[in-house]
Amino acid sequence: DAKTTQPPSMDCAEGRAANLPCNHSTISGNEYVYWYRQIHSQGPQYIIHGLKNNETNEMASLIITEDRKSSTLILPHATLRDTAVYYCIVRVNAGGTSYGKLTFGQGTILTVHP
Amino acid sequence: GAVVSQHPSWVICKSGTSVKIECRSLDFQATTMFWYRQFPKQSLMLMATSNEGSKATYEQGVEKDKFLINHASLTLSTLTVTSAHPEDSSFYICSALIDTIYFGEGSWLTVV
Repeated sequence: DAKTTQPPSMDCAEGRAANLPCNHSTISGNEYVYWYRQIHSQGPQYIIHGLKNNETNEMASLIITEDRKSSTLILPHATLRDTAVYYCIVRVNAGGTSYGKLTFGQGTILTVHP
Repeated sequence: GAVVSQHPSWVICKSGTSVKIECRSLDFQATTMFWYRQFPKQSLMLMATSNEGSKATYEQGVEKDKFLINHASLTLSTLTVTSAHPEDSSFYICSALIDTIYFGEGSWLTVV
């Protein structure tokens, strides 16, 4: 799986949008971009994923650049409960059991403050 | 609601004893589950892939005789830490490959 690079930490004011960047310059054509988050002492929670088109769900939006070498996770109205470590992971989406294996980097610690 | 559940949430055991952690997929069948370990302030590290009805596949550097994995049914995988030592104290997390990847709540193990 391609390696990702994320800033170690970010701050955001409550109610504002949180934009979390991720670089994945070596991503392959069949690799998807996944985002998970981990609130302290809990298992990771799936947020969103995409291949090349921008995606939106009830939790967040995912913006992928045209060359697919970077992406941004957007939490439109951050709350205190969004404080967590956010992981950007790239991997193929199908093809045997190995695609269930996730390689976690260090992630970005997002702190939402009042 | 939760799709994958772990039990226990936390456990304390004495050095030299063995402890079992369960990972269940709720309402779904999971032929493949994964076990991760996470030390404080570090990221998750994949330990092994648990395959229903066959032997687990361990990542490099993970002792298969120390971390026994059993996946006897389509909804249950167990991780047994044998002859536990204080350095095995960690947060253990499982995930299940269903339509996507779902994680359990994690299990804190403290070896004293």
